[in-house]
Amino acid sequence: AQSVSQHNHHVILSEAASLELGCNYSYGGTVNLFWYVQYPGQHLQLLLKYFSGDPLVKGIKGFEAEFIKSKFSFNLRKPSVQWSDTAEYFCAVNAKFGNEKLTFGTGTRLTIIP
Amino acid sequence: DAGVIQSPRHEVTEMGQEVTLRCKPISGHDYLFWYRQTMMRGLELLIYFNNNVPIDDSGMPEDRFSAKMPNASFSTLKIQPSEPRDSAVYFCASSQRPGDYGYTFGSGTRLTVV
Repeated sequence: AQSVSQHNHHVILSEAASLELGCNYSYGGTVNLFWYVQYPGQHLQLLLKYFSGDPLVKGIKGFEAEFIKSKFSFNLRKPSVQWSDTAEYFCAVNAKFGNEKLTFGTGTRLTIIP
Repeated sequence: DAGVIQSPRHEVTEMGQEVTLRCKPISGHDYLFWYRQTMMRGLELLIYFNNNVPIDDSGMPEDRFSAKMPNASFSTLKIQPSEPRDSAVYFCASSQRPGDYGYTFGSGTRLTVV
């Protein structure tokens, strides 16, 4: 079974700072990778996804993530954060073949200070 | 498309009462997932359906929880009897092909059992 680790539980940054949130997964086969965002009081929304091809994936709102297979990592980045990026961010993984379940990490709460 | 629709948005009930949560998936999505989100345990998959058939219910906590999908446009999650530890946000998600598109989440039902 697959699993996901997000080591940063709470990150606090000032506006315009650069962001990198860590995500590591555990699974022996080929995977699909996702980042979801949950704004306060709202549901999860898809930020970006990786299925194959270019390991650098660009998503909405200026976010990007890089899949590094050798490190089993899929870190989320943004060069300059805004106050509106305050939210909880979840990394998720599913096995590419024959498994429809998404396994989520425990999430990273991001607080942006104006 | 109206997205995944959940009702009610908020539910407060007394311990021992029956609670029914409802979900309408996006039309054409063959997969439906029920998740529970708590501070302590994060996002937990409870059960998922494919073409109205339950595929994996290994995440259902105990016999007090049951889920049904009588047709392609409606699913229920029932808790009977409810307990305070069931207090959480319950999300429904649907997908056409999870491996290709990920999930679309509903707005969730915040359940409080007092």
